[in-house]
Amino acid sequence: SQTIHQWPATLVQPVGSPLSLECTVEGTSNPNLYWYRQAAGRGLQLLFYSVGIGQISSEVPQNLSASRPQDRQFILSSKKLLLSDSGFYLCAWSAHREANYGYTFGSGTRLTVV
Amino acid sequence: QQPVQSPQAVILREGEDAVINCSSSKALYSVHWYRQKHGEAPVFLMILLKGGEQKGHEKISASFNEKKQQSSLYLTASQLSYSGTYFCGTGLLMNRDDKIIFGKGTRLHILP
Repeated sequence: SQTIHQWPATLVQPVGSPLSLECTVEGTSNPNLYWYRQAAGRGLQLLFYSVGIGQISSEVPQNLSASRPQDRQFILSSKKLLLSDSGFYLCAWSAHREANYGYTFGSGTRLTVV
Repeated sequence: QQPVQSPQAVILREGEDAVINCSSSKALYSVHWYRQKHGEAPVFLMILLKGGEQKGHEKISASFNEKKQQSSLYLTASQLSYSGTYFCGTGLLMNRDDKIIFGKGTRLHILP
């Protein structure tokens, strides 16, 4: 069966520090991968998505970046965090081009920038 | 481009029914429905595809009217476990690349 792992679960970082969040998927190949951010009490904002290794689409211009170095690995990064980067970050995957599949989300990373 | 959900919040007593609506200004290929418990990740409920259909999942079902670009989620005889925030996510017909955009969510609270 397929599983998605996301870490760390919680993170407190000072303003201006770098960020690296990692997400890996097991039990499938060539998945679509997504990074979403959810501000407190808000909806899900799509940040990046990837349909293959090295293919990244950015939805929201900001100081975050994403990379997909391996088929089932998706990384969210920042060189310098801002206070506004605080939120609940969720990684998700879906079967590539299979429209009958929904998204499976990781357990999320709660990031607090102080 | 973001779908609009209504109502924003609803409070029900256990056993009552609820309807959550999702509408888009763009032609849709797919509509997803998810439920998120507080502090947890969203969980996939169902997906409806272009072609107009209705799906069911226990006492939770949904319909998709592609002509009106709308979907509705029906929760019948609600249970305490149904409490949470419900999100619809829409895939646009113009770019069927499996990217969906979520609405702002509908908070559902079930009272005993």
